[in-house]
Parts: sequence; C-alpha cells; structure tokens
Amino acid sequence: GESVGLHLPTLSVQEGDNSIINCAYSNSASDYFIWYKQESGKGPQFIIDIRSNMDKRQGQRVTVLLNKTVKHLSLQIAATQPGDSAVYFCAENPARVSGTYKYIFGTGTRLKVLA
Amino acid sequence: NAGVTQTPKFQVLKTGQSMTLQCAQDMNHNSMYWYRQDPGMGLRLIYYSASEGTTDKGEVPNGYNVSRLNKREFSLRLESAAPSQTSVYFCARERMSNYGYTFGSGTRLTVV
Repeated sequence: GESVGLHLPTLSVQEGDNSIINCAYSNSASDYFIWYKQESGKGPQFIIDIRSNMDKRQGQRVTVLLNKTVKHLSLQIAATQPGDSAVYFCAENPARVSGTYKYIFGTGTRLKVLA
Repeated sequence: NAGVTQTPKFQVLKTGQSMTLQCAQDMNHNSMYWYRQDPGMGLRLIYYSASEGTTDKGEVPNGYNVSRLNKREFSLRLESAAPSQTSVYFCARERMSNYGYTFGSGTRLTVV
C-alpha cells in the first residue's frame, strides 16, 4: 500500500488545524467531480462530490470548492484528525459514454497529520 | 470496502505465468471497471463493462483480457504476465447514487 504513495506531494498539518488540498482538472466540459480518500493498503473511498453548476458543497467536516474559471478543485478538512492521514485525489467526469461513467483521476496528495 | 470483493489480495507471479483476478459486486449495477494504480500516477482504466456480456477497452488494455459472465462478476486475466504489470489492481462498480465508484480493496500483484 505504501508504494502507491511514493513521489506524491505531501501536506503536513498539525492536528486540529484545517487542511486544504488542491486539484487541477483537465477538461472544461467535465460536469461532475469527486474527492476520494485512500488509506494505506485500502481501496479509494468516496468523500464528497460536486456538480459543475455549484461552487461549493459542504459535508461533515469537509467542504469542496469548485472554480471553473481556472479548472480548480479544493478539499477543505476542518479540525484535521489523525484518522485523516491518507492520500486524497480528485476525479472528474468528462462524459457518460455507452451507459458508463469513465472518470479521470488525479495523482493525489498525501496528507500527514502531526500530533 | 463493502460492496466490491476482490481476490486474491496479494499475488507474486513469475514472468510468463498467467492468472485471473476475481471481482464480485453485492448489487446489480450494470457497470463495472478494472483500474491499475502505479506510484506517482492516477488510477488508469484497463477495461470496463457497461452491462452483462459486454466489455470495452480503457486507457491501458494491452496484456489483459476480461470476462463479464454475469451481472455480479467481472474478472481480469493476465495471459502472460510481465514485470510492467506489477501494480495494484482495483475493481469498481458504480455507487448506489450512480455517481462515482465503490472500489474493492485491491489486489497487489508483483511480477518477477
């Protein structure tokens, strides 16, 4: 599981502080975006999503911001906890083709929470 | 990662050997997917299946074959494994809301 995290940018945050993880997406036609969390040795886990007609969406301790002008997504985690330590990556959906969604995934950012 | 079960969790193969990665979903979603994940790269789509009995190539299909024999199961086969296929493989189905995926816990494959 650790081998997946090699060469990734790392964000180190003090426990209790807020974290902001950024993602640049590639396709201006993408209409749906997702943030995933991946803990070591596990599969990616859905965190929060946002449609292209929205600028902001809030969940439990997480907020996603979408700036379509510069094709940028951010994930804000409030009051970061040790359990938030993981790799986070975004995904965009350019189109639904033949009844399926073929998402494009970013490479990810490793979040390290310091005690 | 309840919802998608992958076997095996770990596998070491010698170059030229063959194997099948198994994947089963707990729902009746039409679409299922196989991705590989390599250090420093995003998840890359190998093959996908829009419905039972249909499969299509993704971004990196070379060296792989797939079978979707029924709605629940979608297997990935390596006919002649190569070191370049050392990776972590994830199977996925669409989420209940039909947006985004539910992933399995992955198969960590090493080809020596």
